[in-house]
Amino acid sequence: DGGITQSPKYLFRKEGQNVTLSCEQNLNHDAMYWYRQDPGQGLRLIYYSQIVNDFQKGDIAEGYSVSREKKESFPLTVTSAQKNPTAFYLCASSGGGATNEKLFFGSGTQLSVL
Amino acid sequence: GENVGLHLPTLSVQEGDNSIINCAYSNSASDYFIWYKQESGKGPQFIIDIRSNMDKRQGQRVTVLLNKTVKHLSLQIAATQPGDSAVYFCAEFRPYYGNNRLAFGKGNQVVVIP
Repeated sequence: DGGITQSPKYLFRKEGQNVTLSCEQNLNHDAMYWYRQDPGQGLRLIYYSQIVNDFQKGDIAEGYSVSREKKESFPLTVTSAQKNPTAFYLCASSGGGATNEKLFFGSGTQLSVL
Repeated sequence: GENVGLHLPTLSVQEGDNSIINCAYSNSASDYFIWYKQESGKGPQFIIDIRSNMDKRQGQRVTVLLNKTVKHLSLQIAATQPGDSAVYFCAEFRPYYGNNRLAFGKGNQVVVIP
């Protein structure tokens, strides 16, 4: 079954703690993305990666970090510098390039602060 | 994720009736549009897309209409079913924005009344 897998589904962070959200895809997609979703808001881009070993900041990258060591994986770390981390985090992938704009999404991770 | 629809415009529709969901987009140069459906606690699912050289596109029970003159997009759902209850949002692809081309609307909550 091809798709995008995010884990965990629910995550709790203590103050001052870094937490990492996992995103794995077996669609053989080049591009991967992380979005943040807050209640009643549109999706906001945190980071994206068009190819392995390369990634770019999105609109709200402060307090987050990513890595792209493998094509299949694009983990997101929410650092202690992110003062308002409670949100629903969505990972997505696409074939990349001008003709592969359609994004496929994972099922999301709900992050809450203890 | 569970509160993704909080404070969104809400459309209540009787089961079996048709639904129309509207979206205003921002950039007159946007050339590709997607409608997504998001159920509570889940990631967005692709419904239908349309390119700017078209005015209308039909899928299974869904039709997307594009009015470039007024930068307006609509999604019509025929014979709405309880499983159609979700948040629906549009996405526009803005050329000339580099790799961060995709912009999402805030969404509309659809509630189907049995």
